[in-house]
Amino acid sequence: QVQLVQSGAEVKKPGASVKVSCKASGYLFTGYHLHWVRQAPGQGLEWMGRINPNSGDTNYAPKFQGRVTMTRDTSMTTAYMELSSLRSDDTAVYYCTKGFCTTTSCYENWFDPWGQGTLVTVSS
Amino acid sequence: EIVLTQSPATLSLSPGERATLSCRASQSVSSYLAWYQQKPDQAPRLLIYDASNRATGIPARFSGSGSGTDFTLTISSLEPEDFAVYYCQQRSIWPPITFGQGTRLEIK
Repeated sequence: QVQLVQSGAEVKKPGASVKVSCKASGYLFTGYHLHWVRQAPGQGLEWMGRINPNSGDTNYAPKFQGRVTMTRDTSMTTAYMELSSLRSDDTAVYYCTKGFCTTTSCYENWFDPWGQGTLVTVSS
Repeated sequence: EIVLTQSPATLSLSPGERATLSCRASQSVSSYLAWYQQKPDQAPRLLIYDASNRATGIPARFSGSGSGTDFTLTISSLEPEDFAVYYCQQRSIWPPITFGQGTRLEIK
């Protein structure tokens, strides 16, 4: 079955960078975009951007442009999200997710399944 | 950026009751709207896509309706496991893809 397994929790100081990984299995990794969504404590969901694992092309939310970099390693079927110049308000759970597929169709920008989430804490 | 506004912020109901959750878009998103359920310490789960289609394995008590700017998620008869936070999401005009702020469905 489709699985997305993320790297473990991170604690970073303000100004540092963090790189979160998302290991995909159970489907053709290069066939579907991978998205990153974050959730601050007690808050809602915020889309950060997506990567095309086949081409490496990316689309970022304007809010994160210049601070986020999404990459992938096709040999490892793993996607990465790196966020730089961390601030305390970047403290959040970061999720990777992929487009939803039925038995007959796939929808790139509806999200299912999701990884388990990675807590990134930014604190001095 | 399309802003999605969900109401109410919190809905208090009892098991067996009918739940009606609303999502309003700042401009038309056609039928490009989805609903997610999130339980504590879990990732969201897709319930409804394209405004009215149930995702795989979602019980029939969940239904979605609407188009343009006004959308509704209805849970016909609440089960204990339905008490959670619900988010709407649009993919019509992006980037960015946007979510509503959520509706918390709590046990009365």
